[in-house]
Amino acid sequence: NAGVMQNPRHLVRRRGQEARLRCSPMKGHSHVYWYRQLPEEGLKFMVYLQKENIIDESGMPKERFSAEFPKEGPSILRIQQVVRGDSAAYFCASSPTGSSEQYFGPGTRLTVT
Amino acid sequence: KNQVEQSPQSLIILEGKNCTLQCNYTVSPFSNLRWYKQDTGRGPVSLTIMTFSENTKSNGRYTATLDADTKQSSLHITASQLSDSASYICVVSPVGFGNEKLTFGTGTRLTIIP
Repeated sequence: NAGVMQNPRHLVRRRGQEARLRCSPMKGHSHVYWYRQLPEEGLKFMVYLQKENIIDESGMPKERFSAEFPKEGPSILRIQQVVRGDSAAYFCASSPTGSSEQYFGPGTRLTVT
Repeated sequence: KNQVEQSPQSLIILEGKNCTLQCNYTVSPFSNLRWYKQDTGRGPVSLTIMTFSENTKSNGRYTATLDADTKQSSLHITASQLSDSASYICVVSPVGFGNEKLTFGTGTRLTIIP
């Protein structure tokens, strides 16, 4: 059973471009969470999704950020018109229904130049 | 002020020695407290999960303790190994919510030297 997979592992974008981060949860997991980690800071919750539904997006910036978890395929975190402040590590985690355990992916390190 | 404070920020110890990492939290009430290990460039990996009613939980050489009265938790590492070099993160889950409301500490950066 492969772990949570994220790609790309590293992403470089110029200011104004779009960034797409992908997350494939562990097999059998239907709950996906996205977190952002800035240097020297703790992980911050962004959004919680189940298949085809956004359950809680209270941690997402109101503009430029969106997330989806389609019926088929990975979860996508999309950042439009990136700015330097978006540079961070973005982690995805998944969990099975009814469990408090979360399994994290290796993260995507986004650098905005 | 962060609701989960960890100390020390960083720690260097010799291989084979023991160490204790501290976590103070203000999240209340909470349903569980977790400790994660995060290697450089990797995602966090769960070490222990304790409910509010548990006082201690072990996972190999890692032992976590919880004092809900003082709102403190500690992670004790016994007979440290070079592979223990990582950041250790304390995470608190408030009552009434699932994994989406976890509050993460900023971690203690542990370095084991030979």
